[in-house]
Amino acid sequence: QITLTESGPTLVKPTQTVTLTCTFSGFSLTTSGVGVAWLRQPPGKALEWLALIYWNDGKRYNSSLKSRITITKDTSTNQVFLTMTNMDPVDTATYYCARPGGNFWTGSLGWLDPWGQGTLVTVSS
Amino acid sequence: DIQMTQSPSTLSASVGDRVIITCRASQTVNRYLAWYQQTPGKAPKLLIYEASSVKPGVPSRFTGSGSGTEFTLTIRSLQPDDFATYYCQQYDTYPFIFGPGTKVDV
Repeated sequence: QITLTESGPTLVKPTQTVTLTCTFSGFSLTTSGVGVAWLRQPPGKALEWLALIYWNDGKRYNSSLKSRITITKDTSTNQVFLTMTNMDPVDTATYYCARPGGNFWTGSLGWLDPWGQGTLVTVSS
Repeated sequence: DIQMTQSPSTLSASVGDRVIITCRASQTVNRYLAWYQQTPGKAPKLLIYEASSVKPGVPSRFTGSGSGTEFTLTIRSLQPDDFATYYCQQYDTYPFIFGPGTKVDV
């Protein structure tokens, strides 16, 4: 059974840097073709895809946030991290991690299942 | 980046209705299109991937179709658990953008 759990600070101040952690089980990020993605959803708004990291340390980012976010992994602890700099109230959202499904080698990897339960990050002074 | 749109943004329906939601991409995404269902306070759940493949365990009343730039999600006979918001997502080209969502309510 695959599970993912997000954790991190619930309240951050504007301009601060935040690091969120996705702890997963049931798969390994040392396995070829495997990845983990981060997404977010502001209250009452739509989902936003943020970043994805692959087993080979390949990384992909949302174009509009690329200068502010970094995705990294620690395969020894089965964790993926999302670091976001210069936080602003508009970054207030529930942040999710999820496992991409499909086949990396045919270019069809990208649907997301399962998802973590999400962690709400509020940006406020 | 590829832009995704959904129509309608809100849909009022009743139990037993047939519901159709449309998702359009600004350029072809081939068949790399997924659909998710989200209820308030919960994480999204995958319903359909590769445009028409239904995730095992998802009720057969959910079907997906389309390719290229136009896709549909059909709920054959709406059930009480189906009142939710539905999102499409393309995974043909990075970044893997989501549609703005369609809320199905009473």
